[in-house]
Amino acid sequence: QVQLVQSGAEVKKPGASVKVSCKASGYTFTSYYMHWVRQAPGQGLEWMGIINPSGGSTSYAQKFQGRVTMTRDTSTSTVYMELSSLRSEDTAVYYCARVLIAAPTAGAGYWGQGTLVTVSS
Amino acid sequence: QSVLTQPPSVSAAPGQKVTISCSGSSSNIGNNYVSWYQQLPGTAPKLLIYDNNKRPSGIPDRFSGSKSGTSATLGITGLQTGDEADYYCGTWDSSLSAGHWVFGGGTKLTVL
Repeated sequence: QVQLVQSGAEVKKPGASVKVSCKASGYTFTSYYMHWVRQAPGQGLEWMGIINPSGGSTSYAQKFQGRVTMTRDTSTSTVYMELSSLRSEDTAVYYCARVLIAAPTAGAGYWGQGTLVTVSS
Repeated sequence: QSVLTQPPSVSAAPGQKVTISCSGSSSNIGNNYVSWYQQLPGTAPKLLIYDNNKRPSGIPDRFSGSKSGTSATLGITGLQTGDEADYYCGTWDSSLSAGHWVFGGGTKLTVL
């Protein structure tokens, strides 16, 4: 069965960077795009970007351009999301989410458990 | 301000039917598939509907989706107290040089 297991909660100071991992199992890692989505406390879902684990190509939301980097390691079936220049507004739960079918425009059918990132001085 | 517009809240009694709307534009809903997600308190979102009206394995047929033009609708029949959750629509948007995903602002369903 498809499983996405994310790294644990992080506490960071403003200006720092955070790198969240998402280890996939139960399917062919390189066959399905992976989204990153975040949710601030009490707020809605916010799309951050998408990565193609096959070639590593990415597409980022305009809001995060220049601050976010998504990468993958095919040897461990893991995708990473690094966000830099953190500010308090980046405090949120960060999710990785695999597309349901093999197309980047497909809905996110499988979600990780979420990683809480807290930015506080 | 979300690109896709959903009502902030809807409510209905157990056993009744409710619909949740999602309004967009030609660059998103009008030319791309819509998916719907259910988020129970404290949990990750769960895919309910994809490709406008398809249900993933395990999703009961009480949940349905439809699309017309630049709007989409999620329908839930036979409401249960366990359906109380936040619901989000999502779709691809082709308005920028690189496509991107957009979500609605979410709708809180209360089962009275």
